[in-house]
Amino acid sequence: KAGVTQTPRYLIKTRGQQVTLSCSPISGHRSVSWYQQTPGQGLQFLFEYFSETQRNKGNFPGRFSGRQFSNSRSEMNVSTLELGDSALYLCASSRGQGIGELFFGEGSRLTVL
Amino acid sequence: AQRVTQPEKLLSVFKGAPVELKCNYSYSGSPELFWYVQYSRQRLQLLLRHISRESIKGFTADLNKGETSFHLKKPFAQEEDSAMYYCALSLYSGGGADGLTFGKGTHLIIQP
Repeated sequence: KAGVTQTPRYLIKTRGQQVTLSCSPISGHRSVSWYQQTPGQGLQFLFEYFSETQRNKGNFPGRFSGRQFSNSRSEMNVSTLELGDSALYLCASSRGQGIGELFFGEGSRLTVL
Repeated sequence: AQRVTQPEKLLSVFKGAPVELKCNYSYSGSPELFWYVQYSRQRLQLLLRHISRESIKGFTADLNKGETSFHLKKPFAQEEDSAMYYCALSLYSGGGADGLTFGKGTHLIIQP
């Protein structure tokens, strides 16, 4: 069974630009959640989607958004990038509602210059 | 808001010695607690969860609601245990999923 796949793995953007990150969950998993990992703040929850609906959202500004498609694939978007958005963005999938076991991808490393 | 504290950023022990990775949480309800581990060049993965009450790779963790702790223990450390360990908390809401609240992590180094 293929694991959680995130693309792109690395990207560099400049301040003010926007970025879209993609996540393909494990086949059969309907829940996808996103986390931001930085050296200072550690792992922080961004949002979680189940059956194309955002179920929960962390404490991040509205510049951070996401969506989930009918095939459970998910994308997150960050608009008007700031230097502080430089981070590793991790996607995780799980079988269904409720927290269950999360299966993480390798992450997308975003650098904002 | 809930919080997870892992007081040690780095823990170094010798092979064969006991290991205890500390985790304290702040939440007045009944959370679900997890330990996730990230080995070098591997993905973050679940090690164990308190409701399972299992021993995984020789590790155990007991939820102490009185002390609001969920320390991870192993009686005899092995070199392959060297990794980054994260304690995490979820507020079970029943009707949906809450994101995990992670601690900052403890880097465990097992010396030969």
